[in-house]
Amino acid sequence: DIQMTQSPSSVSASVGDRVTITCRASQGISRWLAWYQQKPGNAPRLLIYSASNLQSGVPARFSGSGSETDFTLTISSLQPEDFATYYCQQGDTFPLTFGGGTKVEIK
Amino acid sequence: QVQLVQSGAEVKKPGASVTVSCKTSGYNFRNYGITWVRQAPGQGLEWMGYIRVYNGNTHDAEKFQGRVTMTTDTSTRTAYMELRNLRSDDTAVYYCAKGKHMYDATGGMDVWGQGTTVIVSS
Repeated sequence: DIQMTQSPSSVSASVGDRVTITCRASQGISRWLAWYQQKPGNAPRLLIYSASNLQSGVPARFSGSGSETDFTLTISSLQPEDFATYYCQQGDTFPLTFGGGTKVEIK
Repeated sequence: QVQLVQSGAEVKKPGASVTVSCKTSGYNFRNYGITWVRQAPGQGLEWMGYIRVYNGNTHDAEKFQGRVTMTTDTSTRTAYMELRNLRSDDTAVYYCAKGKHMYDATGGMDVWGQGTTVIVSS
């Protein structure tokens, strides 16, 4: 199975900060990487697909990059509604796998 | 708009089975796969399996093999996930989700159901 390792597991940041989350795959997955945001009590929400494509309706302050084994999610200017947990997920090979999550907390 | 509406919460005893349904609307059901994901209390997301609706082919996580069955009913645009021989550590919120890309799972999941809480307790 492909292991997805996210870092950091949590980050404290202030409104307006630039936040970067990384996701590393245990083997190459081309660009088959998605990012999700989840708030407590809610289902996950797709933010980025195919490593760098912004899902419709997602603010442009979210961006994704990377290929093969190393990927990043960047929030350019953190907004109050962005405090949540973020997950990466590889779609290259079954079984699909998620990263462990990164909790973005208010500083 | 695209919607996935899941069945209601369940409380089951250890050893029982549960079936979660996922009724879809707003898109061509046959063209997109359905993924099942679960989340135990306070934990991360766990992929359970995927079904290609157009041909019924499934992939599931090894830890569930023999206990999980994913099916679809194209006449009612509904997906089902049955989990058998329930244990206390199956207590979780179960989600269905529509694939972003037609016919495969590479693009992640773009629309999710609201989640179904399953509690396994004696």
